[in-house]
Amino acid sequence: GESVGLHLPTLSVQEGDNSIINCAYSNSASDYFIWYKQESGKGPQFIIDIRSNMDKRQGQRVTVLLNKTVKHLSLQIAATQPGDSAVYFCAENPGNQFYFGTGTSLTVIP
Amino acid sequence: DTAVSQTPKYLVTQMGNDKSIKCEQNLGHDTMYWYKQDSKKFLKIMFSYNNKELIINETVPNRFSPKSPDKAHLNLHINSLELGDSAVYFCASRRAGNYEQYFGPGTRLTVT
Repeated sequence: GESVGLHLPTLSVQEGDNSIINCAYSNSASDYFIWYKQESGKGPQFIIDIRSNMDKRQGQRVTVLLNKTVKHLSLQIAATQPGDSAVYFCAENPGNQFYFGTGTSLTVIP
Repeated sequence: DTAVSQTPKYLVTQMGNDKSIKCEQNLGHDTMYWYKQDSKKFLKIMFSYNNKELIINETVPNRFSPKSPDKAHLNLHINSLELGDSAVYFCASRRAGNYEQYFGPGTRLTVT
């Protein structure tokens, strides 16, 4: 099966600081990537996506960077807020299916 | 209105039983999915289904079977439940041509 891994299973940041969550993917054929946020007791929620023909995409307070050479994704959250505390997943799509990583648990310290 | 709903939210049952989890989406989406999330939060796709095609993850035991009475519903039936089936099961859906999946709230299954 596919493998999408994360470098750090947990991350703690001070409120107001920037957060960076990293993800390594395995399939060089993947042409689409999504970051999801999962709050406690809820299902994953879409944050931002990026296609393989892009290196960077920005949303509201979030930026996704894609480095295809090393098969690496990152999610940057600016001015992290307590409401950002959650588990973050990257997912890759090499075809018809999405494959998710284990997740990084982000804790924001007030 | 809830976009993707699942019932029940919690399910506790004994080994060997057969159970079903229901999923409904009111988004008019074409494709629905079932995922299993283990205690370490790892999300693994089990099935994807639209009115034309069922794609089964080859690692899913055949005790698990999806059943779709109509386009808005994809239920998950599990036979002969085992301890290792304990997990949170998520249903998701998406529209054709759009990669974004909408997830349900999850069903926490505990097999004792």
